Amino acid sequence: QKEVEQNSGPLSVPEGAIASLNCTYSDRGSQSFFWYRQYSGKSPELIMFIYSNGDKEDGRFTAQLNKASQYVSLLIRDSQPSDSATYLCAVSGTGNQFYFGTGTSLTVIP
Amino acid sequence: NAGVTQTPKFQVLKTGQSMTLQCAQDMNHNSMYWYRQDPGMGLRLIYYSASEGTTDKGEVPNGYNVSRLNKREFSLRLESAAPSQTSVYFCATPPGAEDTQYFGPGTRLTVL
Repeated sequence: QKEVEQNSGPLSVPEGAIASLNCTYSDRGSQSFFWYRQYSGKSPELIMFIYSNGDKEDGRFTAQLNKASQYVSLLIRDSQPSDSATYLCAVSGTGNQFYFGTGTSLTVIP
Repeated sequence: NAGVTQTPKFQVLKTGQSMTLQCAQDMNHNSMYWYRQDPGMGLRLIYYSASEGTTDKGEVPNGYNVSRLNKREFSLRLESAAPSQTSVYFCATPPGAEDTQYFGPGTRLTVL
């Protein structure tokens, strides 16, 4: 059983602040790491994925990967109320499999 | 949910009944996936298909069967539904270029 751990939250940040979401994983063989946003009652949406140590930036989102520490994070700069959602972390496994964390609920307070 | 369609959107079954969830994609992906999501949980992989005619078990395959008869369609069948299969089911394509991935709108299944 591959384990992907996330703090379930809820995480509350004021509008305009930086939201920091964290994820740890157990399988050192995982190669790719994914962040999804899921609004209540909707399908997950892929925000970004990362496979190299370091940072990857896309607009207000930055994914950070540290394979030695088996840790991946997502930073959301200038948080907006529309960012309020559950954020899911996922990691790749063997073959075509992916393993998801339980998600962190984020609320951005206007 | 552009590109991946699922039917039905909602379904209520009695224990022991059977049903098939349908999924279709129009993006020419080789791989397709079926996930289930329970309240407060992440997605768990039920089955996946790496190509037409092939299927493989995921984390939670018990009680399910799948069929990938062509590249476009990937169906999930519950032969004898149980209350433990009450969940939201998502069909999806694999992550691709430019951080794209497509999920269907989901099927909300309740087994009484």
